[in-house]
This record gives sequence, C-alpha cells and structure tokens, in this order.
Amino acid sequence: QSALTQPPSVSGSPGQSVTISCTGTNSDVGSYNRVSWYQQPPGTAPRLIIFEVSNRPSGVPDRFSGSKSGNTASLTISGLQAEDEADYYCSSYTASSTSVFGTGTKVTIL
Amino acid sequence: EVQVVESGGGLVQPGRSLRLSCAASGFSLDDCAMHWVRQAPGKGLEWVSGISWNSGTIEYGDSVKGRFTTSRDNANNSLYLQMNSLRPEDTAVYYCAKGNAYDLRGAFDVWGQGTMVTVSS
Repeated sequence: QSALTQPPSVSGSPGQSVTISCTGTNSDVGSYNRVSWYQQPPGTAPRLIIFEVSNRPSGVPDRFSGSKSGNTASLTISGLQAEDEADYYCSSYTASSTSVFGTGTKVTIL
Repeated sequence: EVQVVESGGGLVQPGRSLRLSCAASGFSLDDCAMHWVRQAPGKGLEWVSGISWNSGTIEYGDSVKGRFTTSRDNANNSLYLQMNSLRPEDTAVYYCAKGNAYDLRGAFDVWGQGTMVTVSS
C-alpha cells in the first residue's frame, strides 16, 4: 500500500489561509469517506483534527475544515495562528481493510 | 480521562523479539477498534496494524505482515503487539491509538505518547 501524496511543506502569514492536499487512488480516498487528518507539533503525539472527510472532534477550532473531491482530500486552515505550526498527516481506510497515511506536510507560519 | 499508555519498548538485536503493551483507561476497550502506528526517526506516520473490537478482524501493513501479531484483552483493557524477526528498519516510536469505530474503518481519536523501539546490534 503506497502512502497518500501530500506536499512536503506549505506556509502562510498569521491570519491567512492554507490548504493541504492529500492524493490517493480509487482504492482508498476515492472510494471511502473515511479520510482523517492529524496534527503533530514537534516532539508530540499526533492529534485527530478531522474525521470522515469533514467532521471536527470536540475541541478542535472551526478554523480547521476538510473536504474531498474524487481521489483527493484537502485540509484548510483559516486564520492561521502561531500554534498551528506543525506537521499534518492525512489518512484513509483502504479496500484492503487497512489504513494508509499521507507523506506529511510541514506547515510554517511566516 | 480517556487515555492509552504504551510500554515495552527498548533496544533489541536484529532477529530477536519484543512485545509491546498498551493500557487503556477512561473508556471500555469493548467499544472500539484499536491500532498500532509507528514513526521512524525523522519520518512520517506508518499504520502498522488494527484489531476490531472483538478481535474478529485483524489486519497488518505489508512491511510487518507475517512477523507482527496484534491481540487484545478487553477484560483487562489491554492491547498487545508481538514483534518477531525484528529488523533495523523497524526502529521507530510505536503509538497505540484508539479507533472511533468498532471496526477498522474509523479514525484514530486517542493516541498514547509512544514507546521507542530500537533494533540494532
């Protein structure tokens, strides 16, 4: 199972918006609404921020939003804040009944 | 507080075995699937294995299939990962993660702090 493809890095100034793409295939992202997103600040464990494409767990700010079109899912962070600087990973359930993560994207606040 | 805590990591020689444990608290293990995810130093996340709420479905990533075995003891709120024939490329922080569904389709909504496994001679 190959990793989902994400851009290595994105950056933005405080208050701006950034979007991270997550491209898979019709055996994972394209076939299931089981895409999730995780935030991992340096030296910490990952934290779930989006599940089932666009749902936010309790406590996650509404600045974080998710969507999907075809084989590509996207995470948008609106109104960037300093504490959003972290690595972000997407994940999808697959046709093999396994899960696969994306390659990861580093978000830098300028 | 809902949490999971991993233990059992350490330094092990190539070809040897190691068993990781994950202790769950604040929730009943009967209510969810559980997963193991690893992260090699400086690298991204890799899904290792998942086990459904009743152990009816257990799946593995291609890189560990046939060498690793996942099991759970719901009565004792514990998850395990038996790792055999370890290789240097298995060196990673291993995370235990709670699924938010009974089966393997859910997201990973609670993570432990991880336990480091180093495979080296």
